[in-house]
Amino acid sequence: GENVEQHPSTLSVQEGDSAVIKCTYSDSASNYFPWYKQELGKGPQLIIDIRSNVGEKKDQRIAVTLNKTAKHFSLHITETQPEDSAVYFCAASDYGGSQGNLIFGKGTKLSVKP
Amino acid sequence: NAGVTQTPKFQVLKTGQSMTLQCAQDMNHEYMSWYRQDPGMGLRLIHYSVGAGITDQGEVPNGYNVSRSTTEDFPLRLLSAAPSQTSVYFCASSGGRNSGNTIYFGEGSWLTVV
Repeated sequence: GENVEQHPSTLSVQEGDSAVIKCTYSDSASNYFPWYKQELGKGPQLIIDIRSNVGEKKDQRIAVTLNKTAKHFSLHITETQPEDSAVYFCAASDYGGSQGNLIFGKGTKLSVKP
Repeated sequence: NAGVTQTPKFQVLKTGQSMTLQCAQDMNHEYMSWYRQDPGMGLRLIHYSVGAGITDQGEVPNGYNVSRSTTEDFPLRLLSAAPSQTSVYFCASSGGRNSGNTIYFGEGSWLTVV
């Protein structure tokens, strides 16, 4: 089955700096890669996703890149702000994300210092 | 979060007791699923459903039962609680293409088995 590895497990940056979180996946059939942000005591919330027919997607300060050949994808957050502090999870699915069958990475705790 | 409601928010059980975690969504989503989240483990899929009357196992199904008698509800039953089931449980739903394949999570249910 699919296995998703996520690095780093913790990341501390200064406000205004960029943050990059990387994930690798094992199943070449995976075709949907969402990123979730989880704040303390809350459920995960989708922040951006990418499908296997796209190499890069951007939404304001957040971008995701996908390298299908190498089976890895990354989350890029620019101009970080203290409210970006949270745990971020990557995930992979081979159902186009429609059936809720996501395999998650173990998460990255991002701390943005003012 | 967009219409996924979980109850209870917190629960303490004794080993061997049974209980049901409730999940309801009001978005007419076909797909619903249950995940558990343990420290350092990310989220792992327990069971999922692609529509009323249809359920299937995820990564970690042992000790849990589900049913899907209506589109709106997807309860998770713990048959005989064990300390290893102490975790945070998240219900999720997706409408597939109708909702852009976005998966919505509930706020979580914190379960402690003593």
